[in-house]
Amino acid sequence: GNSVTQMEGPVTLSEEAFLTINCTYTATGYPSLFWYVQYPGEGLQLLLKATKADDKGSNKGFEATYRKETTSFHLEKGSVQVSDSAVYFCALKDTGNQFYFGTGTSLTVIP
Amino acid sequence: KAGVTQTPRYLIKTRGQQVTLSCSPISGHRSVSWYQQTPGQGLQFLFEYFSETQRNKGNFPGRFSGRQFSNSRSEMNVSTLELGDSALYLCASSLAYPRSYRDRGGTEAFFGQGTRLTVV
Repeated sequence: GNSVTQMEGPVTLSEEAFLTINCTYTATGYPSLFWYVQYPGEGLQLLLKATKADDKGSNKGFEATYRKETTSFHLEKGSVQVSDSAVYFCALKDTGNQFYFGTGTSLTVIP
Repeated sequence: KAGVTQTPRYLIKTRGQQVTLSCSPISGHRSVSWYQQTPGQGLQFLFEYFSETQRNKGNFPGRFSGRQFSNSRSEMNVSTLELGDSALYLCASSLAYPRSYRDRGGTEAFFGQGTRLTVV
């Protein structure tokens, strides 16, 4: 079946530090992969996506590369800001519109 | 363009009662999905509706039901509420239902702010 495993949190970083949040997946087909972000009291917002192997999704300084050989989609950012503090969810979508989400990783960036 | 609107934002109900939550998707979007978010279980898929038909259903008891209207607005209903139903219920709006394997991937989902249901 389909599932997503992502790095346990919480993660606390100093401003301008490098961020990596690990995400691996299991899928029966050839899924598309997503990172969503959730700010306090809000719903989920799409951060970036990749639809096939070796695709790189990027947005607002965040990047993730679809690695089929390692079934991974790790999220990275070179220099985090206080405003990046949020919960990050890795997700996959195969057929239809059903998303399979990871458990979420809480990120706190301190000045 | 207005986003996904969920009403109400907050609800407090008593065990045994029933509740109805509403979701208005982005204009032109015809697919609506529902998710339950809890600290223990994370985000779990409830069901998806497209063109007033349920296309997919998650692993939830029959107390959870939904429907979609001709204007694509959707409601979900939970009957005989239990304490464990306390959660954030999120609605996701998508443009279409992927008809083929080829176009499965590009359809992203836009989420509402959710309805926070507390069962006491």
